[in-house]
Amino acid sequence: DTGVSQDPRHKITKRGQNVTFRCDPISEHNRLYWYRQTLGQGPEFLTYFQNEAQLEKSRLLSDRFSAERPKGSFSTLEIQRTEQGDSAMYLCASSLGGGAGETQYFGPGTRLLVL
Amino acid sequence: ILNVEQSPQSLHVQEGDSTNFTCSFPSSNFYALHWYRWETAKSPEALFVMTLNGDEKKKGRISATLNTKEGYSYLYIKGSQPEDSATYLCARGGRDDKIIFGKGTRLHILP
Repeated sequence: DTGVSQDPRHKITKRGQNVTFRCDPISEHNRLYWYRQTLGQGPEFLTYFQNEAQLEKSRLLSDRFSAERPKGSFSTLEIQRTEQGDSAMYLCASSLGGGAGETQYFGPGTRLLVL
Repeated sequence: ILNVEQSPQSLHVQEGDSTNFTCSFPSSNFYALHWYRWETAKSPEALFVMTLNGDEKKKGRISATLNTKEGYSYLYIKGSQPEDSATYLCARGGRDDKIIFGKGTRLHILP
């Protein structure tokens, strides 16, 4: 088992550009979560998937953000027209099942810097 | 809004000393409490998940307790080692399937 992987690990972009991040969960994990972490804060929930279905989106996720998990395996998170306030660490996690008692396994994150 | 509070925010401990820190959370609609360790440039690593009042979990020199009635959990590290330097995150799981993280306690072990 190779764990959760994320690509890229770092991204620097100019304001107004679009960026896309990829997450590969642990194989056979049905749930996939996206979080955002800014300096001095804990990870904040953005959205999650059960297989290919997106079940919930946080109010933090503006219309510029979109996430997909087309075949129920890897997921992508796209940010359109990036703003400086989007600079953060974007974390992906997966779990075998659902429920708040299920352990989530995290990837190393993608650190985004918007200039 | 459900707030998970962790204290202290930052902690310096001499190598070999034992230490502990706190996570407090709303006790209503509680389902589970998670502890994670996050070392710089690595993935957050799951340490424990606890669900029952009075639960105690142990992993090597690290242990945790849970009080769901008063809404707190303690994490203990015995005989701190340099590799214990990390941010320790707690997260509360509710019945809505989501977990909410605290801001973490940043632990520095001094040689």
